[in-house]
Amino acid sequence: KQEVTQIPAALSVPEGENLVLNCSFTDSAIYNLQWFRQDPGKGLTSLLLIQSSQREQTSGRLNASLDKSSGRSTLYIAASQPGDSATYLCALISSGSARQLTFGSGTQLTVLP
Amino acid sequence: ETGVTQSPTHLIKTRGQQVTLRCSSQSGHNTVSWYQQALGQGPQFIFQYYREEENGRGNFPPRFSGLQFPNYSSELNVNALELDDSALYLCASSFVRQQYNEQFFGPGTRLTVL
Repeated sequence: KQEVTQIPAALSVPEGENLVLNCSFTDSAIYNLQWFRQDPGKGLTSLLLIQSSQREQTSGRLNASLDKSSGRSTLYIAASQPGDSATYLCALISSGSARQLTFGSGTQLTVLP
Repeated sequence: ETGVTQSPTHLIKTRGQQVTLRCSSQSGHNTVSWYQQALGQGPQFIFQYYREEENGRGNFPPRFSGLQFPNYSSELNVNALELDDSALYLCASSFVRQQYNEQFFGPGTRLTVL
Protein backbone atom coordinates (compact mmCIF):
# COMPACT_ATOMS: atom_id res chain seq x y z
CA LYS A 1 0.00 0.00 0.00
CA GLN A 2 1.35 3.38 -1.04
CA GLU A 3 2.10 5.79 1.80
CA VAL A 4 2.97 9.47 1.37
CA THR A 5 4.72 11.50 4.06
CA GLN A 6 5.31 15.24 4.17
CA ILE A 7 7.86 16.84 6.45
CA PRO A 8 7.72 19.28 8.14
CA ALA A 9 4.05 19.46 9.12
CA ALA A 10 4.38 23.22 9.61
CA LEU A 11 6.90 25.82 8.55
CA SER A 12 7.23 29.52 9.26
CA VAL A 13 9.67 31.69 7.29
CA PRO A 14 10.31 35.41 6.80
CA GLU A 15 9.28 37.01 3.54
CA GLY A 16 11.85 36.71 0.75
CA GLU A 17 13.34 33.43 1.92
CA ASN A 18 13.74 30.48 -0.45
CA LEU A 19 12.31 27.27 0.94
CA VAL A 20 11.93 23.57 0.22
CA LEU A 21 8.99 21.32 1.08
CA ASN A 22 9.56 17.60 1.17
CA CYS A 23 7.43 14.63 0.15
CA SER A 24 8.39 10.96 0.40
CA PHE A 25 6.57 7.86 -0.83
CA THR A 26 7.01 4.14 -0.25
CA ASP A 27 6.23 2.64 -3.68
CA SER A 28 8.23 3.93 -6.65
CA ALA A 29 5.74 2.52 -9.19
CA ILE A 30 3.95 5.79 -9.75
CA TYR A 31 2.13 7.24 -12.75
CA ASN A 32 2.52 10.91 -11.84
CA LEU A 33 2.88 13.25 -8.87
CA GLN A 34 1.01 16.50 -8.25
CA TRP A 35 1.64 19.34 -5.84
CA PHE A 36 -1.43 21.23 -4.63
CA ARG A 37 -2.06 24.34 -2.63
CA GLN A 38 -4.99 24.58 -0.20
CA ASP A 39 -6.15 27.76 1.49
CA PRO A 40 -8.03 27.36 4.80
CA GLY A 41 -11.42 25.69 4.30
CA LYS A 42 -11.06 25.76 0.52
CA GLY A 43 -10.55 23.28 -2.30
CA LEU A 44 -7.25 22.29 -3.89
CA THR A 45 -5.40 24.26 -6.54
CA SER A 46 -3.04 22.24 -8.72
CA LEU A 47 0.42 23.81 -8.82
CA LEU A 48 2.60 21.38 -10.73
CA LEU A 49 2.31 17.88 -12.18
CA ILE A 50 5.34 15.70 -12.84
CA GLN A 51 5.00 12.64 -15.01
CA SER A 52 6.84 9.51 -13.90
CA SER A 53 9.32 9.92 -16.78
CA GLN A 54 10.18 13.48 -15.80
CA ARG A 55 12.64 14.77 -13.20
CA GLU A 56 11.26 18.27 -12.61
CA GLN A 57 8.70 20.88 -13.55
CA THR A 58 8.79 24.66 -13.15
CA SER A 59 6.11 27.32 -12.95
CA GLY A 60 7.12 30.85 -12.05
CA ARG A 61 8.73 30.82 -8.61
CA LEU A 62 7.90 27.15 -8.10
CA ASN A 63 10.05 24.17 -9.01
CA ALA A 64 9.13 20.57 -8.26
CA SER A 65 11.51 17.64 -8.59
CA LEU A 66 10.93 13.90 -8.60
CA ASP A 67 13.36 11.09 -7.72
CA LYS A 68 11.49 7.80 -8.01
CA SER A 69 14.49 5.69 -7.03
CA SER A 70 14.70 7.35 -3.62
CA GLY A 71 10.94 7.85 -3.29
CA ARG A 72 11.17 11.62 -2.92
CA SER A 73 9.79 14.81 -4.37
CA THR A 74 10.56 18.38 -3.36
CA LEU A 75 8.75 21.65 -3.98
CA TYR A 76 11.07 24.65 -4.09
CA ILE A 77 9.55 28.11 -3.59
CA ALA A 78 11.78 31.03 -4.46
CA ALA A 79 11.53 34.48 -2.89
CA SER A 80 8.56 33.58 -0.68
CA GLN A 81 5.71 36.09 -0.20
CA PRO A 82 2.97 36.38 2.46
CA GLY A 83 0.48 35.34 -0.25
CA ASP A 84 2.24 31.97 -0.42
CA SER A 85 0.90 31.15 3.06
CA ALA A 86 -1.24 28.02 2.69
CA THR A 87 -1.10 24.26 3.13
CA TYR A 88 0.86 22.45 0.43
CA LEU A 89 -0.14 18.89 -0.38
CA CYS A 90 1.78 16.29 -2.31
CA ALA A 91 -0.26 13.57 -4.06
CA LEU A 92 0.54 10.78 -6.45
CA ILE A 93 -1.16 8.27 -8.66
CA SER A 94 0.26 4.78 -8.35
CA SER A 95 0.52 2.66 -11.46
CA GLY A 96 -2.56 0.48 -11.93
CA SER A 97 -4.53 2.16 -9.14
CA ALA A 98 -7.60 3.32 -11.09
CA ARG A 99 -5.99 6.74 -11.22
CA GLN A 100 -6.74 7.59 -7.58
CA LEU A 101 -4.60 10.17 -5.83
CA THR A 102 -2.86 9.22 -2.57
CA PHE A 103 -2.15 12.32 -0.49
CA GLY A 104 0.28 13.28 2.21
CA SER A 105 -0.99 15.22 5.23
CA GLY A 106 0.46 18.46 3.95
CA THR A 107 2.86 21.15 5.10
CA GLN A 108 1.29 24.31 6.53
CA LEU A 109 3.42 27.24 5.37
CA THR A 110 3.34 30.69 6.94
CA VAL A 111 5.35 33.48 5.33
CA LEU A 112 5.81 36.39 7.72
CA PRO A 113 5.85 39.95 6.35
CA GLU B 1 -13.92 26.89 -19.75
CA THR B 2 -15.99 26.14 -16.63
CA GLY B 3 -14.18 24.70 -13.62
CA VAL B 4 -15.38 22.05 -11.19
CA THR B 5 -18.32 23.21 -9.10
CA GLN B 6 -19.86 21.64 -5.99
CA SER B 7 -23.07 22.18 -4.06
CA PRO B 8 -23.98 22.93 -1.40
CA THR B 9 -21.07 24.83 0.16
CA HIS B 10 -21.98 23.91 3.71
CA LEU B 11 -24.36 21.37 5.19
CA ILE B 12 -25.40 20.46 8.71
CA LYS B 13 -27.06 17.10 9.40
CA THR B 14 -27.78 14.97 12.44
CA ARG B 15 -26.54 11.46 13.09
CA GLY B 16 -28.52 8.81 11.20
CA GLN B 17 -29.69 11.12 8.43
CA GLN B 18 -28.85 10.80 4.74
CA VAL B 19 -27.09 13.41 2.58
CA THR B 20 -26.52 14.01 -1.13
CA LEU B 21 -23.64 16.12 -2.40
CA ARG B 22 -23.35 17.28 -6.00
CA CYS B 23 -20.51 17.96 -8.39
CA SER B 24 -20.29 19.32 -11.93
CA SER B 25 -17.18 18.31 -13.83
CA GLN B 26 -14.91 20.65 -15.69
CA SER B 27 -15.93 21.01 -19.33
CA GLY B 28 -14.52 18.16 -21.46
CA HIS B 29 -13.76 15.85 -18.54
CA ASN B 30 -15.22 12.35 -18.34
CA THR B 31 -14.04 11.06 -14.95
CA VAL B 32 -15.11 12.14 -11.48
CA SER B 33 -13.44 11.22 -8.19
CA TRP B 34 -14.63 11.94 -4.66
CA TYR B 35 -12.39 12.51 -1.65
CA GLN B 36 -13.02 13.01 2.07
CA GLN B 37 -10.75 15.38 3.98
CA ALA B 38 -10.89 15.38 7.77
CA LEU B 39 -9.54 18.40 9.61
CA GLY B 40 -5.75 18.53 9.51
CA GLN B 41 -5.44 15.53 7.19
CA GLY B 42 -4.86 14.96 3.51
CA PRO B 43 -7.83 13.95 1.37
CA GLN B 44 -8.76 10.24 1.31
CA PHE B 45 -10.04 8.62 -1.90
CA ILE B 46 -13.67 7.47 -1.69
CA PHE B 47 -14.41 6.32 -5.25
CA GLN B 48 -14.12 7.23 -8.91
CA TYR B 49 -16.68 7.13 -11.74
CA TYR B 50 -15.98 6.74 -15.44
CA ARG B 51 -18.71 6.30 -18.05
CA GLU B 52 -21.33 6.20 -15.31
CA GLU B 53 -19.77 3.19 -13.60
CA GLU B 54 -17.67 2.92 -10.44
CA ASN B 55 -14.04 2.61 -11.50
CA GLY B 56 -12.25 2.15 -8.20
CA ARG B 57 -13.10 2.49 -4.53
CA GLY B 58 -11.15 3.37 -1.41
CA ASN B 59 -11.60 2.02 2.08
CA PHE B 60 -15.11 3.37 2.67
CA PRO B 61 -18.22 1.38 3.69
CA PRO B 62 -21.15 0.73 1.32
CA ARG B 63 -23.22 3.49 2.93
CA PHE B 64 -21.06 5.79 0.77
CA SER B 65 -22.45 5.51 -2.75
CA GLY B 66 -22.35 7.55 -5.91
CA LEU B 67 -23.71 8.24 -9.34
CA GLN B 68 -22.34 9.74 -12.52
CA PHE B 69 -24.76 11.13 -15.08
CA PRO B 70 -24.49 11.27 -18.90
CA ASN B 71 -23.36 14.91 -18.69
CA TYR B 72 -20.52 13.71 -16.38
CA SER B 73 -21.93 15.45 -13.30
CA SER B 74 -21.93 13.32 -10.16
CA GLU B 75 -23.55 12.76 -6.78
CA LEU B 76 -22.13 11.42 -3.55
CA ASN B 77 -24.70 9.88 -1.20
CA VAL B 78 -24.01 9.01 2.40
CA ASN B 79 -26.57 7.05 4.42
CA ALA B 80 -26.84 6.62 8.17
CA LEU B 81 -24.55 9.54 8.91
CA GLU B 82 -22.05 9.18 11.73
CA LEU B 83 -20.22 11.89 13.66
CA ASP B 84 -16.94 10.87 11.99
CA ASP B 85 -18.42 11.69 8.59
CA SER B 86 -17.94 15.37 9.42
CA ALA B 87 -15.37 16.53 6.87
CA LEU B 88 -14.71 18.50 3.71
CA TYR B 89 -15.87 16.49 0.69
CA LEU B 90 -13.96 17.23 -2.48
CA CYS B 91 -14.81 16.34 -6.04
CA ALA B 92 -12.16 16.13 -8.75
CA SER B 93 -12.56 15.73 -12.49
CA SER B 94 -10.14 14.58 -15.16
CA PHE B 95 -10.05 13.28 -18.71
CA VAL B 96 -9.10 9.64 -18.56
CA ARG B 97 -7.38 9.53 -21.94
CA GLN B 98 -5.27 12.57 -21.16
CA GLN B 99 -1.66 11.52 -20.94
CA TYR B 100 -1.03 13.25 -17.65
CA ASN B 101 -4.44 12.52 -16.04
CA GLU B 102 -4.23 15.78 -14.13
CA GLN B 103 -7.07 16.10 -11.63
CA PHE B 104 -8.85 19.38 -10.99
CA PHE B 105 -10.68 19.95 -7.75
CA GLY B 106 -13.83 21.81 -6.82
CA PRO B 107 -14.16 24.09 -3.77
CA GLY B 108 -15.62 21.31 -1.62
CA THR B 109 -18.68 20.81 0.56
CA ARG B 110 -18.22 21.16 4.32
CA LEU B 111 -20.43 18.57 6.05
CA THR B 112 -21.05 18.78 9.78
CA VAL B 113 -22.81 15.89 11.52
CA LEU B 114 -24.25 16.65 14.95
